[in-house]
Amino acid sequence: QKEVEQDPGPLSVPEGAIVSLNCTYSNSAFQYFMWYRQYSRKGPELLMYTYSSGNKEDGRFTAQVDKSSKYISLFIRDSQPSDSATYLCAMRAAGDGNKLVFGAGTILRVKS
Amino acid sequence: GAGVSQSPRYKVAKRGQDVALRCDPISGHVSLFWYQQALGQGPEFLTYFQNEAQLDKSGLPSDRFFAERPEGSVSTLKIQRTQQEDSAVYLCASSPSGPNTGELFFGEGSRLTVL
Repeated sequence: QKEVEQDPGPLSVPEGAIVSLNCTYSNSAFQYFMWYRQYSRKGPELLMYTYSSGNKEDGRFTAQVDKSSKYISLFIRDSQPSDSATYLCAMRAAGDGNKLVFGAGTILRVKS
Repeated sequence: GAGVSQSPRYKVAKRGQDVALRCDPISGHVSLFWYQQALGQGPEFLTYFQNEAQLDKSGLPSDRFFAERPEGSVSTLKIQRTQQEDSAVYLCASSPSGPNTGELFFGEGSRLTVL
């Protein structure tokens, strides 16, 4: 079983919908949690970065971390066609350099 | 440009050939990483440099894989005697500071196809 599990989708939603993307993990040492967005044939770009448990909001994006359940989420409000991409969760343990462990990514399609 | 630059963007190799993939990080970035992304999967860590020192190569899948960063800027990932299972996108990322800090800036990747 992989350290980080992520449903590959694809997830298809209408424009304006609220999108919920999730990952579960098994390594309790993970303390830093990230969400990356990857457009087709491009490199991942960082969307959200959180430490430990709690919520973080940035514009239309909200990241949630529940360490007790080993579960992280990314919510996208008022989704736009330009949000169509693959969303990768990533995490690392403290003191583990920047060696990130990624989920497989969820493909999101926002239909106009 | 100001981003991480990788070349070639696409490489087709016959099985058994050697390949070299280049990464030009953002100027002044101390840390440099290589990741491998197979089709439909997330990136997997290969190796990490801090300046010219290779501090972690635990993710390199075999001794056919070799990375270097001799002057602490440009890095090259070399794959010897390529196999079909080496087909993937190889992503380079850089970070402005040392380990255990924040954002990695990724390049667009080098897509390797081994026939």
